[in-house]
Amino acid sequence: DGGITQSPKYLFRKEGQNVTLSCEQNLNHDAMYWYRQDPGQGLRLIYYSQIVNDFQKGDIAEGYSVSREKKESFPLTVTSAQKNPTAFYLCASNEIRGQPQHFGDGTRLSIL
Amino acid sequence: DAKTTQPPSMDCAEGRAANLPCNHSTISGNEYVYWYRQIHSQGPQYIIHGLKNNETNEMASLIITEDRKSSTLILPHATLRDTAVYYCIINTNAGKSTFGDGTTLTVKP
Repeated sequence: DGGITQSPKYLFRKEGQNVTLSCEQNLNHDAMYWYRQDPGQGLRLIYYSQIVNDFQKGDIAEGYSVSREKKESFPLTVTSAQKNPTAFYLCASNEIRGQPQHFGDGTRLSIL
Repeated sequence: DAKTTQPPSMDCAEGRAANLPCNHSTISGNEYVYWYRQIHSQGPQYIIHGLKNNETNEMASLIITEDRKSSTLILPHATLRDTAVYYCIINTNAGKSTFGDGTTLTVKP
């Protein structure tokens, strides 16, 4: 079945460590997105990419980095510069311009 | 980016229609209105979207006012499984979307 796969579902990080969240899609979508969700709040855009080898900062990019070397993959690295990384992270994809976003099931990141 | 305003919570009786409002007074002429819902600890699920005309699919109906400054999502016969957070968002030409805090809909038996 076509869809978006995020892994792992739960992730734990020690303070001062970088950690990378995986997002893979087999929908042949051009655009991919990373969102952060804190308890009881909506989604906030971290980074998005509309084409391979190109990406733009969203509203809360500080402390995060991404790459888009392949169309189907858009990994997110939470760096040690992100002071409050505990959150639910969601990856999404769509065809550009006016098409629905398809979401993965998310990764819940916690600090040990 | 265009912002949306939704009530934080609503209740609905099972079997009745649920009408969820959304204000988007700063929407541009070629920006779409999208609705998603999120059940706890899952990724949001797409429901419906529209530009100017009213839309209907197997899940819901979307009514957009003539001036496009507001819209209403209608779940015609709400069930307990429709209890979720509903997000109204504006999709910009760049594909970027801004999610607000949504409306928590509670369907009661």
